[in-house]
This record gives sequence, structure tokens and C-alpha cells, in this order.
Amino acid sequence: DVKVTQSSRYLVKRTGEKVFLECVQDMDHENMFWYRQDPGLGLRLIYFSYDVKMKEKGDIPEGYSVSREKKERFSLILESASTNQTSMYLCASSFLSYLSGSSVNEQFFGPGTRLTVL
Amino acid sequence: EDQVTQSPEALRLQEGESSSLNCSYTVSGLRGLFWYRQDPGKGPEFLFTLYSAGEEKEKERLKATLTKKESFLHITAPKPEDSATYLCAHPGGITQGGSEKLVFGKGTKLTVNP
Repeated sequence: DVKVTQSSRYLVKRTGEKVFLECVQDMDHENMFWYRQDPGLGLRLIYFSYDVKMKEKGDIPEGYSVSREKKERFSLILESASTNQTSMYLCASSFLSYLSGSSVNEQFFGPGTRLTVL
Repeated sequence: EDQVTQSPEALRLQEGESSSLNCSYTVSGLRGLFWYRQDPGKGPEFLFTLYSAGEEKEKERLKATLTKKESFLHITAPKPEDSATYLCAHPGGITQGGSEKLVFGKGTKLTVNP
């Protein structure tokens, strides 16, 4: 079974704090993703990574950065947390599709981190 | 812009009352259609991948089907434990790094009453 784990289920931080969310997968997947999920807005992609030290911006990268030093680990960093970053954060991973236009592989999600910024 | 639309937004069924959820998409080229189940406060759980029009996949009381422009998730004789939000997703294009983004619908919240 694919296993994606996230460092915390619940987190409460103060405005201005630096926040680290960590994700680990055990399936040797090339791709890793960070999403946030808010009521009425659905899942929105923040950043993703297709290889160690490689990253690409998603749809809403402002206020976030990421780090991928090892293949199995992908970290999301909130440099200075703000109240509008209160959300459910979800990590996912997948195998890479090697050919442009080829079939895309499914993503597997972690349990999520509910972050509250006060 | 690629879009995935799910309907209805919410559905209430009585236990045993079969129904279908719809997922329609505007992207061209079929490179995968994904269904997930999400329980409150948890991450989405992968259910099915469909790649070709006409393809069907089943798991317990769930069956997913695919046409060129939409997918259906059929729920046969549902039970209260099938209550969840069901999400569908479609690839949103290859990026410069060669990886893929998924475009998710907003989901259908299914409630099955005993």
C-alpha cells in the first residue's frame, strides 16, 4: 500500500511565525505535491516537485516556499504565517509519466494537516 | 482554462437507493480521469483511474464509467458508510518539468441515511 504521511494532523501558529509542514512518501514516487483545501474553493495546488531539488509553482504559490532535499521528503514552508493561510494542507505523490501526452498516473494523498493561524 | 465540473453539489439518498454522480470536463485529449473519496477531516482516498472512453471499473457498490466528455460514478444500493465527498480530477497539462497537474472538481457530498 502507498503510504504518504504528514508531520502533524493539527497545528496552531501565531501570525508572523515561520511554519514547516513535512510530507514523506514510501513508494519511490518522483512527483510530490502540496495542496490547500478550503470550503467552496476545492483543492488548489501550491507547489509541486518532479525530482530532488526541482520544484514548480502551482496555482497559488504566494506566501509559500518548498524544499525537496531527498526523494521521499517534501516540505512546505510558510515564511511568515498569516490568518488567510488557515486551511487544510494536503500532500500527495505520484509516479512520473515519462512521455509528453502519455497517460497520467494517479496521485496518492496524505491524511492532511489542519493549520490554524491566530 | 481546463475545467472539471461535478454535479450535483450534494446528494441525499436513503439506504439502498441507487444513484449516479456526474463529472464533466472541458479538456481535450483523454489522459486519465480519477475518482477519489474524501471523508471529513481526512485526505482524499484514491478509488479509480479511467483512461479510455467506454472503460468501466468497479469496487464494491461503486462503478465508474467514462465517455469522451464526462464520467459517472454509479452507487448501487448504498449504505450509510458510503457517505463522503466524492472528487473527480483530470490532468491539467504537462509542465516544463515534465510532470502533470491534476484539475479537481469541487466534489459531490453524498449522504446516505439509514
